[in-house]
Amino acid sequence: KQEVTQIPAALSVPEGENLVLNCSFTDSAIYNLQWFRQDPGKGLTSLLLIQSSQREQTSGRLNASLDKSSGRSTLYIAASQPGDSATYLCAGNNAGNMLTFGGGTRLMVKP
Amino acid sequence: DVKVTQSSRYLVKRTGEKVFLECVQDMDHENMFWYRQDPGLGLRLIYFSYDVKMKEKGDIPEGYSVSREKKERFSLILESASTNQTSMYLCASRYRTGLMNTEAFFGQGTRLTVV
Repeated sequence: KQEVTQIPAALSVPEGENLVLNCSFTDSAIYNLQWFRQDPGKGLTSLLLIQSSQREQTSGRLNASLDKSSGRSTLYIAASQPGDSATYLCAGNNAGNMLTFGGGTRLMVKP
Repeated sequence: DVKVTQSSRYLVKRTGEKVFLECVQDMDHENMFWYRQDPGLGLRLIYFSYDVKMKEKGDIPEGYSVSREKKERFSLILESASTNQTSMYLCASRYRTGLMNTEAFFGQGTRLTVV
């Protein structure tokens, strides 16, 4: 069974810093991996989806990478802003159509 | 834009009531999911449906049932609500695995309080 881990659970950085969020998964037979953002009390917003055949995806200041052999994905946020403060979740999609979520990283960007 | 719409943002129900949470998507997605989210426990899958009238149990199906009579609508039913079902409920949908674009989209969430 797939297990997904996100470390650290919480992160605080000053505005303007570049930062990396980590996601580890145990089963390398992964179809794709998706990163989400969640604001307090809200649903999840999709940020990036990386297919198993891809190594990275970019959207604006966000760049996500996927390394199946090491069981790792990273989300890179460039020039962080206070509006980036949220919880970031990764989810692995394996055979069986199930999405398995990590516990999330709560990010605080201080002005 | 894909839309996944949950019928209520906030609900307050009494113990023992039968509760219906509704979710509708407008992208003709085959797969639909119901999760609950609790502090310290993350997102846990309750039920999953891969087609009309088809369903599979997730990790925590006890005390819940689901209905999918039409492709766009997936309902979560709490047969007899209990206080330990107080939680944030999240619905999601996407195309089935095997197609290139299986990006999952979530609704805005329903905060259910059982008193």
